[in-house]
Amino acid sequence: DTGVSQDPRHKITKRGQNVTFRCDPISEHNRLYWYRQTLGQGPEFLTYFQNEAQLEKSRLLSDRFSAERPKGSFSTLEIQRTEQGDSAMYLCASSRRSRTGRFLGETQYFGPGTRLLVL
Amino acid sequence: AQKVTQAQTEISVVEKEDVTLDCVYETRDTTYYLFWYKQPPSGELVFLIRRNSFDEQNEISGRYSWNFQKSTSSFNFTITASQVVDSAVYFCALSEEKGAQKLVFGQGTRLTINP
Repeated sequence: DTGVSQDPRHKITKRGQNVTFRCDPISEHNRLYWYRQTLGQGPEFLTYFQNEAQLEKSRLLSDRFSAERPKGSFSTLEIQRTEQGDSAMYLCASSRRSRTGRFLGETQYFGPGTRLLVL
Repeated sequence: AQKVTQAQTEISVVEKEDVTLDCVYETRDTTYYLFWYKQPPSGELVFLIRRNSFDEQNEISGRYSWNFQKSTSSFNFTITASQVVDSAVYFCALSEEKGAQKLVFGQGTRLTINP
């Protein structure tokens, strides 16, 4: 299996511009997650897809953010009217639920991230 | 609400020393999962281990070992005979069994191994 891939790896934009990031999960992984990581902090959950359905969104995901996962394959995360506070690393992860004994758990595998700088 | 605390912000040791990274967690769930991830300077989070809440057996993988103690809500990570390549930021994380199983991360511990 190839790992999770993200594109672009780096993005510099001016305040007010729109940006879109892409994530390609590990094949056969039906769950996809977006996280945001600011400098010196741990990643924070943004949103989650099971197949093509977006099932949970964090309060961090303002109305300027939108995520899609058409056909349950790759996902895009768009930020409209970017602000300097949006500067961060955006991480994508994918997983597949599996049963081990009595537990139905999963392990999330992360992509290399997209580092966004808003000037 | 779930919370993960990594009290050690930075640790610096000399190569070949043993080092332990602490992780304390809070959750009201009776079933949950604990994780450790490594983040080298390249930025990608690398999965190291996952433990189920009912499995308190300690685990060893090469120079890495993990000590899960439910009584103290801790899941500590020890690197034996550290090497320069172990230098990275290490994150402890927690997820619930139900729903999204989203990860709640600690703030990370920056580990520097000096030659």
